[in-house]
Amino acid sequence: EAGVTQSPTHLIKTRGQQATLRCSPISGHTSVYWYQQALGLGLQFLLWYDEGEERNRGNFPPRFSGRQFPNYSSELNVNALELEDSALYLCASSIRPLSPLHFGNGTRLTVT
Amino acid sequence: KNEVEQSPQNLTAQEGEFITINCSYSVGISALHWLQQHPGGGIVSLFMLSSGKKKHGRLIATINIQEKHSSLHITASHPRDSAVYICAVPSGGADGLTFGKGTHLIIQP
Repeated sequence: EAGVTQSPTHLIKTRGQQATLRCSPISGHTSVYWYQQALGLGLQFLLWYDEGEERNRGNFPPRFSGRQFPNYSSELNVNALELEDSALYLCASSIRPLSPLHFGNGTRLTVT
Repeated sequence: KNEVEQSPQNLTAQEGEFITINCSYSVGISALHWLQQHPGGGIVSLFMLSSGKKKHGRLIATINIQEKHSSLHITASHPRDSAVYICAVPSGGADGLTFGKGTHLIIQP
């Protein structure tokens, strides 16, 4: 069984640009979660998608957005990038809400 | 909002030692996650538990719902167990998670 895959592995952008991060969940998993791990801040919940709908979002500004496609893969978009957005972005999937999570290896976003 | 406290923040031990990492939370929960993060960022979900105890190999996780406390134990620790161990609980109805700051474990040969 293939695990959760994220792309790209690394992404370098400059301030003001937009970044798009992608996540493919484990086959059969309908829930996809996005987390941000910024240096010194630990993991923070960003977004949760289930069955194509945004179910919840964390305490992040609207320039963090995303979507889930009919095949349950997901995109995270970050607009108007700021230096503080530099972080590891982790995607996780679960077969349904409140089930064990499976994490991808993350996308390391660097904003210069 | 659920507050999560982990201890210790850093732990260095010798190979073979019994390791205990603790996690306390402030609001009653349906389930608690223990995660392992290796250098480079990759995360593995070790346990999701809602009561009692779970065991997987040399790893044991326990939870006391009444005391709002969970422990992760590693028996016969090995250098490959060196990682950051993170406790996570649901964020009060949101189904997102609130994470502890993690315990950085180093097992020396």
